[in-house]
Amino acid sequence: DAEITQSPRHKITETGRQVTLACHQTWNHNNMFWYRQDLGHGLRLIHYSYGVQDTNKGEVSDGYSVSRSNTEDLPLTLESAASSQTSVYFCASSASGQDYEQYFGPGTRLTVT
Amino acid sequence: AQKVTQAQTEISVVEKEDVTLDCVYETRDTTYYLFWYKQPPSGELVFLIRRNSFDEQNEISGRYSWNFQKSTSSFNFTITASQVVDSAVYFCALRSYNTDKLIFGTGTRLQVFP
Repeated sequence: DAEITQSPRHKITETGRQVTLACHQTWNHNNMFWYRQDLGHGLRLIHYSYGVQDTNKGEVSDGYSVSRSNTEDLPLTLESAASSQTSVYFCASSASGQDYEQYFGPGTRLTVT
Repeated sequence: AQKVTQAQTEISVVEKEDVTLDCVYETRDTTYYLFWYKQPPSGELVFLIRRNSFDEQNEISGRYSWNFQKSTSSFNFTITASQVVDSAVYFCALRSYNTDKLIFGTGTRLQVFP
């Protein structure tokens, strides 16, 4: 069965360190997204990609970067982790076009100490 | 600007009660899509329904029903005869026709007590 996975599921890191969160989907979807979930804010879009070599900034992109070298993966990198980036991160993917919904990964809980 | 408002932060009900979760949206687009997702205590996000702006028919799926009213910019979600397993955070989301990006509300936490 097709799925979307994230790793690690839990991560504790120190302020200033570079951290990469992995997202892998086997749906063969063109579109991939990264969100962060914080209490009182719902889910906010960090970065998204509509295909290989395409990346775009979302609502809260400062301090984050992504790269898309293949269809299946969209890793999210925190260049220099800050305590404000402590959050739950969700990856999602969808087919292109209008009549499609996004499917979400299980999430990664990141704590920056 | 696009916005989704879920004014109910938390709702508590006793099992078998009916409960309605409110969702009000703002958009200038004439074509758009509305979604509901469920986030159970285990944390994953589960897609429940997608509705496009041209289809104002109410949707019923088992104990779940959705009432879409363009006149009031609302897309409310009703659970009939609630069960403990319905306990979750529910998110409403909006997407314009010309983008694949979702705008989420802040969610409503539903607690169903036995």
